[in-house]
Amino acid sequence: DIQMTQSPSSVSASVGDRVTITCRASLGIGTWLAWYQQKPGKAPKFLIHTASTLQSGVPSRFSGSGSGTDFTLTISSLQPEDFATYYCQQADSFPRTFGQGTKVEIK
Amino acid sequence: QITLKESGPTLVKPAQTLTLTCTFSGFSLSTSGVGVGWIRQPPGKALEWLALIFWDDDQRYSPSLKSRLTITKDTSKNQVVITMTNMDPVDTATYFCAHTQTGIKRYFDYWGQGTLVTVSS
Repeated sequence: DIQMTQSPSSVSASVGDRVTITCRASLGIGTWLAWYQQKPGKAPKFLIHTASTLQSGVPSRFSGSGSGTDFTLTISSLQPEDFATYYCQQADSFPRTFGQGTKVEIK
Repeated sequence: QITLKESGPTLVKPAQTLTLTCTFSGFSLSTSGVGVGWIRQPPGKALEWLALIFWDDDQRYSPSLKSRLTITKDTSKNQVVITMTNMDPVDTATYFCAHTQTGIKRYFDYWGQGTLVTVSS
């Protein structure tokens, strides 16, 4: 199985801050990586696919980058609605695997 | 518009078999490239992928749970069913189903709202 490791596990930030979350795969996955946002009690929301392509309707303050084993999700200017938990997921091979999540909290 | 909704028991006893149904609309599981997957999330924990079934009946399972899982589809009813045998309290989780495809769109782009299943005697 490909292990996905996110860091940090949580981050405290203020509105307007730039936030960067890292996701590392245990094996190279090309750019077969997605990012999801999840708010409490809700289903995950699909944000980014193929490492850097924003899903339709996702604000441009979100961006993704990386390839191979190292990936990042950046929120350029944190908004109140962005406080949530973010997950990466590899789609290179089966079994599909998720990172452990990064909680973005209000500072 | 693609929608999915999970249904099934909210409480199961240890050792029982769990059966969950995903009823969807806005797409067909007879369309080439389409798939439906199941993902679960224990309270306060991360997402865990369980299984996936494609339009051509190709089934994929989490290796750690493969012996306990079965995924099937009923194309005429627009439903996907997952069964998990020998349930244990550690299987307490919210279970989600999600739409996916093959090829470059192989991500979980649409999700159901999830259903919480508690395993307790």
